[in-house]
Amino acid sequence: DGGITQSPKYLFRKEGQNVTLSCEQNLNHDAMYWYRQDPGQGLRLIYYSQIVNDFQKGDIAEGYSVSREKKESFPLTVTSAQKNPTAFYLCASSPDRGNTEAFFGQGTRLTVV
Amino acid sequence: GENVEQHPSTLSVQEGDSAVIKCTYSDSASNYFPWYKQELGKGPQLIIDIRSNVGEKKDQRIAVTLNKTAKHFSLHITETQPEDSAVYFCAANMGFNKFYFGSGTKLNVKP
Repeated sequence: DGGITQSPKYLFRKEGQNVTLSCEQNLNHDAMYWYRQDPGQGLRLIYYSQIVNDFQKGDIAEGYSVSREKKESFPLTVTSAQKNPTAFYLCASSPDRGNTEAFFGQGTRLTVV
Repeated sequence: GENVEQHPSTLSVQEGDSAVIKCTYSDSASNYFPWYKQELGKGPQLIIDIRSNVGEKKDQRIAVTLNKTAKHFSLHITETQPEDSAVYFCAANMGFNKFYFGSGTKLNVKP
């Protein structure tokens, strides 16, 4: 059953702690993305990767870090430097560099207390 | 970079009526325009897309139109049903798979 899996669905962390969100895909897609969604707002791009061992900053990369050591995995770390980390985080993937559909995971809701 | 604007932010229609959501984009290099539906607490799912070499595309009750000259594209849902209630996002892509999303439209279909 192919798809993109994010875990966990809900995550609670204390302020000042780093936390890593998992994103795995078995679709054999080259490109992967992380978006942040705040209530009533659109999707804002944090980081994206078009190929293994390479990634680029999106529009709101400050306070976040990523790695792409394997094609199927693109974990996102929310660091203590992120001033307002509470949000809904969405991971996506797409097949290649051409204009094709992005497939989304079900999201991780991060709450920092 | 690209800037995508989406209107309206909320839309309430009676069941059976039509709903129209409009988006504009700024960069004429954009050539792929997907529409996503997001239900509460879930990830967005593609419902229809259009490429810049096509002016209109239809899939049952859903259609999308694209006006490249005016740089705008629209989603049309006919014979709306309560299960169409969700948040809808438009997006533009100019290549290299970097998507720019609109701010979303919350559609409420009243039974």
